[in-house]
Amino acid sequence: EAGVTQSPTHLIKTRGQQATLRCSPISGHTSVYWYQQALGLGLQFLLWYDEGEERNRGNFPPRFSGRQFPNYSSELNVNALELEDSALYLCASSSGQGAQPQHFGDGTRLSIL
Amino acid sequence: GENVEQHPSTLSVQEGDSAVIKCTYSDSASNYFPWYKQELGKGPQLIIDIRSNVGEKKDQRIAVTLNKTAKHFSLHITETQPEDSAVYFCAASRGGSYIPTFGRGTSLIVHP
Repeated sequence: EAGVTQSPTHLIKTRGQQATLRCSPISGHTSVYWYQQALGLGLQFLLWYDEGEERNRGNFPPRFSGRQFPNYSSELNVNALELEDSALYLCASSSGQGAQPQHFGDGTRLSIL
Repeated sequence: GENVEQHPSTLSVQEGDSAVIKCTYSDSASNYFPWYKQELGKGPQLIIDIRSNVGEKKDQRIAVTLNKTAKHFSLHITETQPEDSAVYFCAASRGGSYIPTFGRGTSLIVHP
């Protein structure tokens, strides 16, 4: 069974640009979660999508947005990039809402120059 | 909302020793507690989990204990090996529309 896959592995952008990160969940999983992991910090929750709908949002500005497609894959968009957006962005999927195991991809390393 | 405290932030042990990482949570409605291991350059990997109707769970060298009354749970690794070196995260979840809350992580270093 294929795990959660994320692309690209690395992404280098400059301030003010826009970035798009992609995630494919485990087959059969309908929920996708996005987290930001800045250097030395824990996992900060960004967004949760389930069945194509945004279910919850973390304490991040509106320039962080995303969507989930009919095949349950998802993309995260970050507009007007700032230096502090440099981080590892992790995607996780689970088989349903709430108290189910989340399975993570290996992330996209976003570097802002 | 839920608050998860994880200690210690760094743990250094000799190969063969045991390692214990502790987490406390605040929301008594939390009922699912996973543990993740994150190696350098990788995403977190689920290594063991426990639900609130169970007090202890073991998987080879790894065990998790849960004390619902005290609202704390712990990860125990016995006979540590250098490949156990990683950052370990605990989390607490209550299901429904709630998002799991993660601890800040413990960097475990196993010296050969």
